[in-house]
Amino acid sequence: AQTVTQSQPEMSVQEAETVTLSCTYDTSESNYYLFWYKQPPSRQMILVIRQEAYKQQNATENRFSVNFQKAAKSFSLKISDSQLGDTAMYFCAFTGGGADGLTFGKGTHLIIQP
Amino acid sequence: EAGVAQSPRYKIIEKRQSVAFWCNPISGHATLYWYQQILGQGPKLLIQFQNNGVVDDSQLPKDRFSAERLKGVDSTLKIQPAKLEDSAVYLCASSLGLAGGLYQETQYFGPGTRLLVL
Repeated sequence: AQTVTQSQPEMSVQEAETVTLSCTYDTSESNYYLFWYKQPPSRQMILVIRQEAYKQQNATENRFSVNFQKAAKSFSLKISDSQLGDTAMYFCAFTGGGADGLTFGKGTHLIIQP
Repeated sequence: EAGVAQSPRYKIIEKRQSVAFWCNPISGHATLYWYQQILGQGPKLLIQFQNNGVVDDSQLPKDRFSAERLKGVDSTLKIQPAKLEDSAVYLCASSLGLAGGLYQETQYFGPGTRLLVL
């Protein structure tokens, strides 16, 4: 069974700073997909970024980028130039190939201070 | 493109009552998922459908939970009878599934139904 671990329950940074959220996972599969989802307070889950395990290049989406270390089974999210609207719960999630369900971590509550 | 729709958004019931949630996925999405998110935790998969067939229901408490997707489009999740520990947000998600010979794994979530069992 796959497991996803997020070791930072809460983080707080000042607006415009850079912040990195950590995620580690455990799997015996060779082909899989990793995601970061954002869940603002009382609002729906939104996809932030995805990474295919077979790709060596780290995914980027505007201010969001990942550091994918396959051998270490690590998948961290970096948010550059953080904004107040980035305040939310961030979930790391894993799925094996074939449209399987997602396995989520417990989440990191990110607070961006003005 | 319309997103995943869910109703109701909120529901309060007494324990031992029954409740049903409805989900309409993104048009054309073959795969539909129901997740349970207890306060302070990440979502947990309850059941996954591929078209109108069940792919994975290993974490569904089948003594009280049931789900169906009869025509391969919208889906209902039912709890009967409800327990206090069923208080949670129930999330529906969909993905394109098999397209162009490759599985499209990205899942898109609805707003969820917040259930409170008293």
